Amino acid sequence: KQEVTQIPAALSVPEGENLVLNCSFTDSAIYNLQWFRQDPGKGLTSLLLIQSSQREQTSGRLNASLDKSSGRSTLYIAASQPGDSATYLCAVNSITGANNLFFGTGTRLTVIP
Amino acid sequence: GAGVSQSPSNKVTEKGKDVELRCDPISGHTALYWYRQSLGQGLEFLIYFQGNSAPDKSGLPSDRFSAERTGGSVSTLTIQRTQQEDSAVYLCASSFAGRETQYFGPGTRLLVL
Repeated sequence: KQEVTQIPAALSVPEGENLVLNCSFTDSAIYNLQWFRQDPGKGLTSLLLIQSSQREQTSGRLNASLDKSSGRSTLYIAASQPGDSATYLCAVNSITGANNLFFGTGTRLTVIP
Repeated sequence: GAGVSQSPSNKVTEKGKDVELRCDPISGHTALYWYRQSLGQGLEFLIYFQGNSAPDKSGLPSDRFSAERTGGSVSTLTIQRTQQEDSAVYLCASSFAGRETQYFGPGTRLLVL
């Protein structure tokens, strides 16, 4: 069964700092990988989706990379802002089984003004 | 356009009662997913619908859980004889097709007393 791990579990940074969130997965046979953010008491907001054939995707200040063979992905956030404070979740869509996503437990990010 | 909607947003019930949770996916999305997010645990997959195909129920934790999707659109997740361990946030997601970006609703927060 696919297992997804996110490190660190929590991170606090001062405003303006660049930061990297890490995600690892045990089974490299994935179709794609998706990064989400979740605000307290809210649903999930999709940030980026990387297909298994891609190395990275960018959206604004966000850049996600994928190294499928080593089972790793990173989410880079440039020039962090207090509004970036949220829990960031990594999820993989495995080739085998249903089309569901396997989620990590998330990294809770706090950007301090 | 309208996103995924879920109702009710909150539900409090007594142990042993049945509950129904509703999901309205994004119009035109053929794939619909139910997930559960329990306190201290990650998101876990429950069930997946794709078009008119038989649903993938591999994530349902017990036979007290069932779901249906009528007319390829609205879905209802039913939990019979609720238990306290069923307390969680139940999230619904839809995608244009399987293996594509999943868009999540705001969730239903279920509390079983």
